[in-house]
Amino acid sequence: GQNIDQPTEMTATEGAIVQINCTYQTSGFNGLFWYQQHAGEAPTFLSYNVLDGLEEKGRFSSFLSRSKGYSYLLLKELQMKDSASYLCAPHNDYKLSFGAGTTVTVRA
Amino acid sequence: EPEVTQTPSHQVTQMGQEVILRCVPISNHLYFYWYRQILGQKVEFLVSFYNNEISEKSEIFDDQFSVERPDGSNFTLKIRSTKLEDSAMYFCASKIQANTEAFFGQGTRLTVV
Repeated sequence: GQNIDQPTEMTATEGAIVQINCTYQTSGFNGLFWYQQHAGEAPTFLSYNVLDGLEEKGRFSSFLSRSKGYSYLLLKELQMKDSASYLCAPHNDYKLSFGAGTTVTVRA
Repeated sequence: EPEVTQTPSHQVTQMGQEVILRCVPISNHLYFYWYRQILGQKVEFLVSFYNNEISEKSEIFDDQFSVERPDGSNFTLKIRSTKLEDSAMYFCASKIQANTEAFFGQGTRLTVV
């Protein structure tokens, strides 16, 4: 079986930093993706971790600890357009599974 | 830029009818997926397809569902006898190899009445 846990909602102000945590238990594990989904739209790729450690991509960074089954997504210098759902997605060879998503609301 | 395309964008069907949702994955991709998202809920994995066969499927993907890659470019999801609870957004996705990101189509909103 599998279990993916992330907070349901987070709120932050423009320019701030927000960290979205994710814990997972999956059958087979190759790596972990983070996707962004705006309401009514398809998920879009943000970040990918295979090895333990931090991956940085501009304002977005993601961290993985395979031994702890833990990842986080760090959003820096928040902008209004970052208001969206952020999906934690561990994968094995053939299956990419999504958590329920964390809805981030950015306030002015 | 290459993209995954899905048709139609919205389909309304009567309960009990068969529907076929169509997807054209990115041309050199090898792994194909179908997901569904009921309004306000999470993105749920349905099935993955690789090397011309189903590689993994979820409990949701029962005998009412089937997938095909009939001609090397299209990837279809068929629901044989639709139920009201099949109403959802259905996303197709593809990726080039195992440890790369999946690209999603814009989805087909299926409404069963």
